[in-house]
Amino acid sequence: EVQLVESGGGLVQPGGSLRLSCAASGFTFSTYWMSWVRQAPGKGLEWVANIKEDGSAKAYVDSVKGRFTISRDNAKNSLYLQMNSLRAEDTAVYYCARLGGSSRSYTYWGQGTLVPVSS
Amino acid sequence: DIQMTQSPSSLSASVGDTVTITCRASQSISNYLNWYQQKPGKAPKLLIYAASSLQSGVPSRFSGSGSGTDFTLTISSLQPEDFVIYYCQQSNSTPFTFGQGTKLEIK
Repeated sequence: EVQLVESGGGLVQPGGSLRLSCAASGFTFSTYWMSWVRQAPGKGLEWVANIKEDGSAKAYVDSVKGRFTISRDNAKNSLYLQMNSLRAEDTAVYYCARLGGSSRSYTYWGQGTLVPVSS
Repeated sequence: DIQMTQSPSSLSASVGDTVTITCRASQSISNYLNWYQQKPGKAPKLLIYAASSLQSGVPSRFSGSGSGTDFTLTISSLQPEDFVIYYCQQSNSTPFTFGQGTKLEIK
């Protein structure tokens, strides 16, 4: 059974940093692109970033470029999101998701981890 | 970046009705269009991928169509559990943008 479990969320002050983790199991992690998607309270979904199977390619939404870094450790079956210079508008539930093959769709999602950014 | 315009933003219908949600891309995305359903407090669930392919385990009352810039999600014979929020998403090019969502409400 495919499982994605996020951790690392929590209250952080504006300007602060946080590192989210996503533990993957039930599939060969190193053969899938992975992504982070977020959802602000009461708002829609926003794609944040993705990373290629071997970590050699990454992409980000403009609003997080230069502040967030997506990474992975295939030996540990883990995905990460390092978030620096956090702003109030980064407040959201952050989901990790597995990107499907040719369809480029998200069949599997984690349960999400909440990151409130507030003083 | 590709903008996804989803309409309507909300929709009232009755159990048993058929409804259609539309998603328009700001440029051609071929068939790289996915539809998700999200229930309150839960992660999104994939319904339709590649514009018209039904995800395994999803009831056949859900169907998708379109290519290029215009896409539709049709839900026939609405069931009580269908009255939640739906999102389209393009995966033609990053950032993989989502539509703003459509909230389906019981009339």
